[in-house]
Amino acid sequence: DVKVTQSSRYLVKRTGEKVFLECVQDMDHENMFWYRQDPGLGLRLIYFSYDVKMKEKGDIPEGYSVSREKKERFSLILESASTNQTSMYLCASSPGTWTGYTFGSGTRLTVV
Amino acid sequence: SQELEQSPQSLIVQEGKNLTINCTSSKTLYGLYWYKQKYGEGLIFLMMLQKGGEEKSHEKITAKLDEKKQQSSLHITASQPSHAGIYLCGAALGNNDMRFGAGTRLTVKP
Repeated sequence: DVKVTQSSRYLVKRTGEKVFLECVQDMDHENMFWYRQDPGLGLRLIYFSYDVKMKEKGDIPEGYSVSREKKERFSLILESASTNQTSMYLCASSPGTWTGYTFGSGTRLTVV
Repeated sequence: SQELEQSPQSLIVQEGKNLTINCTSSKTLYGLYWYKQKYGEGLIFLMMLQKGGEEKSHEKITAKLDEKKQQSSLHITASQPSHAGIYLCGAALGNNDMRFGAGTRLTVKP
């Protein structure tokens, strides 16, 4: 089974901290994605990547950056965490375009 | 506004009842995916529909795709408490990524 592993299930960080959310997939998928999920808004795409060292902005990239130094790992970085970044963060991967995604279990981040 | 609209937003049904969740796209659909999410967890893939008129079933869950209406429906027969959760539709809408509906929260009362 494809596995997408997110390093933390729950995180509590202080405003202004730099936060790293890690995502690792074990099926050699080309594409990786970061979404945030908020009540009533569904999943919104933050960033995605089609290849190592490649990144594309999604719908809401402000306040975030990403890193993909290795194919299996896609990191989401909150440069200076703010309370409005409190959310559920979901990582996903897929082998190609128009194919279904496999999701990680999510990281619930609270910024206080 | 959402590119994928789901209805209803939430649903409470008595165990054993049938129910339907709809997902309507504002753009041409190139593939429609249904996922289920247990509260506070990641998304679990249920099924994928690619062709107009396609219908797929998994246990007591059936999904159909109406390409002309740009709509998909998910139907659960004889609902069980194990069906409770959030159901999300996702679709490739011509972008190189998938867009999602806001989700339908299903509660099944024993």
